[in-house]
Amino acid sequence: DGGITQSPKYLFRKEGQNVTLSCEQNLNHDAMYWYRQDPGQGLRLIYYSQIVNDFQKGDIAEGYSVSREKKESFPLTVTSAQKNPTAFYLCASSILGESAEAFFGQGTRLTVV
Amino acid sequence: GIQVEQSPPDLILQEGANSTLRCNFSDSVNNLQWFHQNPWGQLINLFYIPSGTKQNGRLSATTVATERYSLLYISSSQTTDSGVYFCAVGPRLGANNLFFGTGTRLTVIP
Repeated sequence: DGGITQSPKYLFRKEGQNVTLSCEQNLNHDAMYWYRQDPGQGLRLIYYSQIVNDFQKGDIAEGYSVSREKKESFPLTVTSAQKNPTAFYLCASSILGESAEAFFGQGTRLTVV
Repeated sequence: GIQVEQSPPDLILQEGANSTLRCNFSDSVNNLQWFHQNPWGQLINLFYIPSGTKQNGRLSATTVATERYSLLYISSSQTTDSGVYFCAVGPRLGANNLFFGTGTRLTVIP
């Protein structure tokens, strides 16, 4: 089955802890993205990567970190520096190119308790 | 970044009715996609339509890139069409990340 897999589906974190969200794709896409969605809002870009070992900040990168050691994987770490981390996180991927269609995973809902 | 405005923000329809959702954007784009977000949060790709017209069953979409807007038509609506519809655009210059509108929440009642 080709697609984008995010795990876990739900995640609870205590304040002050770092947590890592997983995103794996088997579509052979070069580009991968992380978005954040808050209730009643659209998605906002956190980070993106167009090639292994390279990534760029999006509009709301503060308090987040990423790595891209393999083409298939783009994990997102929500650090304790992120002031309001409770949100729905979506990972996407696409081929390279300015007009490439993006496809999304099922999302991870993070709640800070 | 590019601004994306969707209207109406909320829409309630009787089953079987037709509707038109609008997306306006503030700059030239290379990419425009329509998504349906289901109750579990997953974004389902409806159309990839940077220009022109496409149809898929009861859904169709038109993008007029020169006038910076896109329309999503839903005909003979069903309760399973309920959810939030997002328009997202990719700017003509720069990386292929998408800018999203705030969505149209559609509720179809039986």
